[in-house]
Amino acid sequence: KAGVTQTPRYLIKTRGQQVTLSCSPISGHRSVSWYQQTPGQGLQFLFEYFSETQRNKGNFPGRFSGRQFSNSRSEMNVSTLELGDSALYLCASSSTSGGTGETQYFGPGTRLLVL
Amino acid sequence: GDSVTQMEGPVTLSEEAFLTINCTYTATGYPSLFWYVQYPGEGLQLLLKATKADDKGSNKGFEATYRKETTSFHLEKGSVQVSDSAVYFCALSASGGSYIPTFGRGTSLIVHP
Repeated sequence: KAGVTQTPRYLIKTRGQQVTLSCSPISGHRSVSWYQQTPGQGLQFLFEYFSETQRNKGNFPGRFSGRQFSNSRSEMNVSTLELGDSALYLCASSSTSGGTGETQYFGPGTRLLVL
Repeated sequence: GDSVTQMEGPVTLSEEAFLTINCTYTATGYPSLFWYVQYPGEGLQLLLKATKADDKGSNKGFEATYRKETTSFHLEKGSVQVSDSAVYFCALSASGGSYIPTFGRGTSLIVHP
């Protein structure tokens, strides 16, 4: 099976712009989660989508949004970019409708640099 | 709330040395515990997991035992290789409420030849 893919791999934007990142989960996986990884804050959960519905949400401002399509592909959008949004954005997919032992499968990430 | 505490890095070892990376957790109920590894330029990948007390997860020579009495899940390997150089993340997924994993800050491992 193909793994989780994320596009683009690298992005450079300027403050105030908006950006859309894309994630294609492993075939058959219906849950997609997004994380922000920075050296200072580590790995922080953004949100999770399951069957096109946002099921869980982390503590990020409303500038961060996402959606999931019927084929389980997901996008996240960041509007009005700030310098502090520079990070590696990771997408992860899992197969079930929820469960504590479920493994998350991560993509390689999109590295966003905001100038 | 749930939390995971890992030892600070970087951990620097010579090839064939013994590795221990400490991880302790705070959670309600009976969480599942995980170790993920992130190689340079890549996303995280599952290394091993344990879903109940006293379970031992193992993979690629790495082991960790779920110790409920000490709320710990320390990662060990008997003989590390240069190729093990990476960042290691301990994580838990709680049994009540949201099952979204909580990750530790990560521990960087550097193995010298």
